[in-house]
Amino acid sequence: GQSLEQPSEVTAVEGAIVQINCTYQTSGFYGLSWYQQHDGGAPTFLSYNALDGLEETGRFSSFLSRSDSYGYLLLQELQMKDSASYFCAVRRNTPLVFGKGTRLSVIA
Amino acid sequence: SQTIHQWPATLVQPVGSPLSLECTVEGTSNPNLYWYRQAAGRGLQLLFYSVGIGQISSEVPQNLSASRPQDRQFILSSKKLLLSDSGFYLCAWSGVGVGEQFFGPGTRLTVL
Repeated sequence: GQSLEQPSEVTAVEGAIVQINCTYQTSGFYGLSWYQQHDGGAPTFLSYNALDGLEETGRFSSFLSRSDSYGYLLLQELQMKDSASYFCAVRRNTPLVFGKGTRLSVIA
Repeated sequence: SQTIHQWPATLVQPVGSPLSLECTVEGTSNPNLYWYRQAAGRGLQLLFYSVGIGQISSEVPQNLSASRPQDRQFILSSKKLLLSDSGFYLCAWSGVGVGEQFFGPGTRLTVL
């Protein structure tokens, strides 16, 4: 089977940096995606890593280590609007498998 | 550009009534299509996915069914709703062999 583990909740201060970790166990791994979901809204795609290393998109970066079955999402210069749930998802030869999500609360 | 539509946005239905939720995608051809359900404060549960017209794969046995009558149309149905069917239903699409999925705005279903 497959499983993903990510923390259920994280709290960080506005302007700070926060890292959300994701570890996975799956067969046929192709890559790791990250999604953001605000309360009441639909998930939106943030990033996808197919290869080891760091991918940067503005204030957000995503990292993957295939040998460690591990990845993380890094959010810099946190803003209040970053308060949301963040999901990692594993891409296999079949549909994405999503983690249960990490609830990020940004406080002043 | 590609867009994905879902309707209705909210729905309140009595137990035992039928359900039909529709999802359409514009601006792409041969998309993979997905139906997810999300309970309040929970993760995304994949219900069905389709790689082509008439091709439906079910991930979780339940009283729901899906159909894909056209390339860019995906329908979620039930003959008799249960209380446990309440939730946030999300349709999504992806290209073939890519890691990104794009979600529709969702339908919030309450079964009373």
